[in-house]
Amino acid sequence: AAGVIQSPRHLIKEKRETATLKCYPIPRHDTVYWYQQGPGQDPQFLISFYEKMQSDKGSIPDRFSAQQFSDYHSELNMSSLELGDSALYFCASSPEGDTYEQYFGPGTRLTVT
Amino acid sequence: SQQGEEDPQALSIQEGENATMNCSYKTSINNLQWYRQNSGRGLVHLILIRSNEREKHSGRLRVTLDTSKKSSSLLITASRAADTASYFCATDAQNTGTASKLTFGTGTRLQVTL
Repeated sequence: AAGVIQSPRHLIKEKRETATLKCYPIPRHDTVYWYQQGPGQDPQFLISFYEKMQSDKGSIPDRFSAQQFSDYHSELNMSSLELGDSALYFCASSPEGDTYEQYFGPGTRLTVT
Repeated sequence: SQQGEEDPQALSIQEGENATMNCSYKTSINNLQWYRQNSGRGLVHLILIRSNEREKHSGRLRVTLDTSKKSSSLLITASRAADTASYFCATDAQNTGTASKLTFGTGTRLQVTL
């Protein structure tokens, strides 16, 4: 079965650079979520989209922005990167209807040097 | 703020033994889910229990939910070395009828030795 695809899987950037992370949800899933997991930490919700509209916002810095496109893929844009942004970034998707399960991608490991 | 607290933070058992992990949360929930994460890898969905359910089984997994105590437990029976991973509970606290953001607990690191 198709899973959530994230790219790139690994990314190394320097401080103050920008990064773009991409997420391709499972086909026919209309909701996308972004989570950040720092080293040794639990995942923290950043932002979500439903039918291409932002549906919820968590602890996402103003330096980050995200959107969901017409084909339902989503991109997380991160600017003015800081060392503390080094983390695993997960995307998850869920289908429409009364199912609550979120299916997570493999994550993008971002390292800021 | 942290929604879920898990205990123990770390658990070491021998293969064949049972492992029990507990999770407590603070707000009313739609459902509670358990995820497994191998070191530095993705989150794998294990089981979901709705707020109106008290117990659920899936293979070697048994989950209980006590909404009056705002707590849940995950039991893995007859553990295997391949069960070694971190286990997170996550709550979906929004009563909209559709999925919403998950709030994760701090996780339990399970080590199963031969």
